[in-house]
Amino acid sequence: QKEVEQDPGPLSVPEGAIVSLNCTYSNSAFQYFMWYRQYSRKGPELLMYTYSSGNKEDGRFTAQVDKSSKYISLFIRDSQPSDSATYLCAVLSGSARQLTFGSGTQLTVLP
Amino acid sequence: DTEVTQTPKHLVMGMTNKKSLKCEQHMGHRAMYWYKQKAKKPPELMFVYSYEKLSINESVPSRFSPECPNSSLLNLHLHALQPEDSALYLCASSHLAGGLSGSYEQYFGPGTRLTVT
Repeated sequence: QKEVEQDPGPLSVPEGAIVSLNCTYSNSAFQYFMWYRQYSRKGPELLMYTYSSGNKEDGRFTAQVDKSSKYISLFIRDSQPSDSATYLCAVLSGSARQLTFGSGTQLTVLP
Repeated sequence: DTEVTQTPKHLVMGMTNKKSLKCEQHMGHRAMYWYKQKAKKPPELMFVYSYEKLSINESVPSRFSPECPNSSLLNLHLHALQPEDSALYLCASSHLAGGLSGSYEQYFGPGTRLTVT
C-alpha cells in the first residue's frame, strides 16, 4: 500500500465551479500535510500547510484534514482558468522532514 | 522571502560529460533536498542534507554526487549519466527544528530541466 494515494484525475471543470481534490494516507502518525500546485514545466509551489486535524483557509483555498479517516482534501472556490495546474498532496515524515507525495491531480478550469 | 534559486534552468549533456547543478536559499533553512521528477509523475526524493551533513540517500546511483558546501548552498554533481536520467531536478529547503513559527514548510526551486543525449 502506498503511503499517500491521490485521486488521479484528470479533472475538468467550468470556471466558477468548486473543486475538490482528495488524498488518503496510510500512517496515522503523520501530522504535517501540504498541498502544492505545479504549473507545467515549473517547480511545485506550496499552497497550503496543515498541522494535525481541522481546516485551514487562505482566500479561495481551503485545506481539510480528517485524521480519523486519514483523509486530506483541498477545496478551491470560484475556480479560475489560472488555477489550471497539477495539484500534489504531500505528507511530512521522518527526522529529516522528507515529503512523500501523492501521484498528483491535473486540473483544467475551462473559461 | 521564500525563494529557492536553481541554476542552470536547462542543461543538455552527453553521457561522458561532467556537470553540476546549483541551488541556493537564504531562509536560514538547515535542511536541503534534491528531488527528481519525470513527466507526469510526482517528485521523488534523492538526497537530504541536515545541518550540512548527508542524512538520507535514497539508493541513488553514484553517478549523482551531492555536496553541501555551506548552509545556503547545495550542489549536485553529475557524471556519466544515462538518457533515462533526463528529468526535472528540483531543490527544496525547510526548517529542521520547526523554525520560529514551528512549521516545516518545504519550498521548492524552479528546477533544472536536464536532457542527457
